[in-house]
Amino acid sequence: DAKTTQPPSMDCAEGRAANLPCNHSTISGNEYVYWYRQIHSQGPQYIIHGLKNNETNEMASLIITEDRKSSTLILPHATLRDTAVYYCIVRVESAGGTSYGKLTFGQGTILTVHP
Amino acid sequence: NAGVTQTPKFQVLKTGQSMTLQCAQDMNHEYMSWYRQDPGMGLRLIHYSVGAGITDQGEVPNGYNVSRSTTEDFPLRLLSAAPSQTSVYFCASSYGTVGNTIYFGEGSWLTVV
Repeated sequence: DAKTTQPPSMDCAEGRAANLPCNHSTISGNEYVYWYRQIHSQGPQYIIHGLKNNETNEMASLIITEDRKSSTLILPHATLRDTAVYYCIVRVESAGGTSYGKLTFGQGTILTVHP
Repeated sequence: NAGVTQTPKFQVLKTGQSMTLQCAQDMNHEYMSWYRQDPGMGLRLIHYSVGAGITDQGEVPNGYNVSRSTTEDFPLRLLSAAPSQTSVYFCASSYGTVGNTIYFGEGSWLTVV
């Protein structure tokens, strides 16, 4: 699996942009970068994903470097409800076996949004 | 978490008992999977299915069985519960794998005593 590296924790002031970095230097050409978050022990919530181009949706923006070795998740206006563990994941696209379609969750980044 | 429903949400079992965790999705997704999450650890893949009648093992399949008789349902069976299976279990589904969004259920909290 392509390994991802994230800072263990980050803080952000409410109303400001939260920029969460992720390194994935061993990513393969056809592997997507996914971002999920988990609040307490609820089910992981999908945020965004991308392959090469920058992506934006109603929740966030994803900036992927040209060499694809790193990316940044941007929450444009963080709120207290955005406090969660954020996971950057490279999804395995193997042909089969025990890892087929698997999302490999690392330790993630604990984002704390404070007033 | 759109469309993935897990039951029960909480369950306590005695060692050696069997039970089934239910998972259903109404999005006509082909790919379904089960993960477990232990304290301080990431999610680990137990079993997955790429369509009705097709299942395969993930990273930690021992002690669990699955079946996929319909597109909508993907139950996870614990054959003889052990304390090591105390965990939070998440079911997930997606239309395919490459570049598709995976949706997770809310989780099933299982305690084996």
